[in-house]
Amino acid sequence: GENVEQHPSTLSVQEGDSAVIKCTYSDSASNYFPWYKQELGKRPQLIIDIRSNVGEKKDQRIAVTLNKTAKHFSLHITETQPEDSAVYFCAASLGNTPLVFGKGTRLSVIA
Amino acid sequence: GAVVSQHPSWVICKSGTSVKIECRSLDFQATTMFWYRQFPKQSLMLMATSNEGSKATYEQGVEKDKFLINHASLTLSTLTVTSAHPEDSSFYICSANSPGRTYEQYFGPGTRLTVT
Repeated sequence: GENVEQHPSTLSVQEGDSAVIKCTYSDSASNYFPWYKQELGKRPQLIIDIRSNVGEKKDQRIAVTLNKTAKHFSLHITETQPEDSAVYFCAASLGNTPLVFGKGTRLSVIA
Repeated sequence: GAVVSQHPSWVICKSGTSVKIECRSLDFQATTMFWYRQFPKQSLMLMATSNEGSKATYEQGVEKDKFLINHASLTLSTLTVTSAHPEDSSFYICSANSPGRTYEQYFGPGTRLTVT
């Protein structure tokens, strides 16, 4: 089955700097790669996703890149703000199959 | 659109009792729902896939006789934790695909279960 590795497990950045979180997946058939932000005690919130037919997607300060050959994808957050502090999870799936999550990255943005 | 609700949002029960958690799709029909469990400071782990009108598919290591799943309608799936023990204390989250948007999953708000 699918296996998703996520790095780093913790990340601290100064406000205004960029943050990058990386994930690798094992199943080359996976074609959907979402990123979630989760605050304590809350449900995961989809912040951006990408399908395997594109290599990059951007939404304001957030971007995701996908390298199908290497089977890895990354989340890029620019101009970080204190409210970006949370736990971020990457995931992978094949269409409407269950999501397989990475272990998460705790991002701290220091004002 | 595509709202998923869960009830209750939190529950405390005594060891040995059973607890039922409901997951509802409020504005769409979900033939498939997924149940995840999340322990503190850990990731979401899939427990089972709930299929309307048929038996749930459980992940390896998840006891189907302990975690009973019933998907009796296109808008409701229930998870019953039977004979709960303290180690079952966790955050339980359901999700569903919207028929018109196959890829994105919509998550319920989660249920915090504490077994004393």
